[in-house]
Amino acid sequence: GAVVSQHPSRVICKSGTSVKIECRSLDFQATTMFWYRQFPKKSLMLMATSNEGSKATYEQGVEKDKFLINHASLTLSTLTVTSAHPEDSSFYICSAAFLGPGGYTFGSGTRLTVV
Amino acid sequence: KQEVTQIPAALSVPEGENLVLNCSFTDSAIYNLQWFRQDPGKGLTSLLLIQSSQREQTSGRLNASLDKSSGRSTLYIAASQPGDSATYLCAVRSGQAGTALIFGKGTTLSVSS
Repeated sequence: GAVVSQHPSRVICKSGTSVKIECRSLDFQATTMFWYRQFPKKSLMLMATSNEGSKATYEQGVEKDKFLINHASLTLSTLTVTSAHPEDSSFYICSAAFLGPGGYTFGSGTRLTVV
Repeated sequence: KQEVTQIPAALSVPEGENLVLNCSFTDSAIYNLQWFRQDPGKGLTSLLLIQSSQREQTSGRLNASLDKSSGRSTLYIAASQPGDSATYLCAVRSGQAGTALIFGKGTTLSVSS
């Protein structure tokens, strides 16, 4: 149990376009989901916390107008990178606050490349 | 603000060695601590979860300990294998449900055959 599905796993887009990344909890309801970004050989940096039905809480330094997060249902959260630039190229991972014995569960990540 | 540090940043060992990865955190008021494994370009695989009231957890060749008062955790890997080569991440949760994990930068392990 406690599986989080993240799509797409890889995406290449042109500068100026927008990209949407989906994170779904498959067998449980996730009231809270988290979005992280990981630079090469670096740790995971928390971008924002999304709660179902309310606005996401962004970490300091993260542009909320650039990284749009929507958590419209208990099983789906989306991250949209708007007007993407090459510096947005990164590995994005979502996580759901599953309260089972295994702790938080993570999606498989999305490798975004902006060309 | 909670900060998590992992030492060493990288480690290379021959197959069969026992090894210890270290994790420290600045705020000892944690809810739990979790160890993950990450293969290159992949997501995270949870290895062990230690609640704040626990001292250690074991799974197969892995043993994780927690000393909350001193802000430290160790991950012990017994009889290392080439398949153990990966990056190991330590993460702490400082609050109740809905609080994000804070990660260290990881230890990249390479086990040679």
